[in-house]
Amino acid sequence: EIVLTQSPGTLSLSPGERATLSCRASQSVSSNSLAWYQQKPGQAPRLLIYGASSRATGIPDRFSGSGSGTDFTLTISRLEPEDLAVYYCQQYGSAPSWTFGQGTKVEIK
Amino acid sequence: EVQLVESGGGLVQPGGSLRLSCAASGFTFSTYEMNWVRQAPGKGLEWVSYISHSGSAIFYADSVRGRFTISRDNAKNSLYLQMNSLRTEDTAIYYCARFSRLPFFDYWGQGSLVIVSS
Repeated sequence: EIVLTQSPGTLSLSPGERATLSCRASQSVSSNSLAWYQQKPGQAPRLLIYGASSRATGIPDRFSGSGSGTDFTLTISRLEPEDLAVYYCQQYGSAPSWTFGQGTKVEIK
Repeated sequence: EVQLVESGGGLVQPGGSLRLSCAASGFTFSTYEMNWVRQAPGKGLEWVSYISHSGSAIFYADSVRGRFTISRDNAKNSLYLQMNSLRTEDTAIYYCARFSRLPFFDYWGQGSLVIVSS
């Protein structure tokens, strides 16, 4: 099973700042099969990024994904108050065990 | 508009059973692979179970294998999770989630809360 480790656990930034979230895999993720999800308080998760760098439908371009192999990054270029959420990475290259990272909480100062 | 609506959650004693349902609409349900994903209170996401579009392929997480059974009724556009021998550690919000054409989750339901407690 591929273990995903996200860092930092919590990120506290001001509106307009850049947020950089990391997801590291215990072994190489095949074909960059990595997705990112946003979960706002009291809501279900929402798909942000798939294929490591492709934005899902309707996702603002301030969200971007990058990386390959074992190291992946979600960047929020200019934080907005509505970006308060927990962000999860998920690998889907190793079926049938689809695993999530433990999450990074983004707080807005 | 794609919609997934879970139901059937509630309070159950350890060792008891519960059946969750997920009603799908806004897409051709019979052509999509479906899953259950859960989230314990204050914790992260855990994939629980997968079923192929026809029901011919099924997988479970180790934590629930032998106790939970996933199924679907394509005629009724519905997904199910039969949960037996429930444990306190099964307490969670259970989400119905659709796989895109690749195995990432592109749509999620609002979740159904299951509490296992005496």
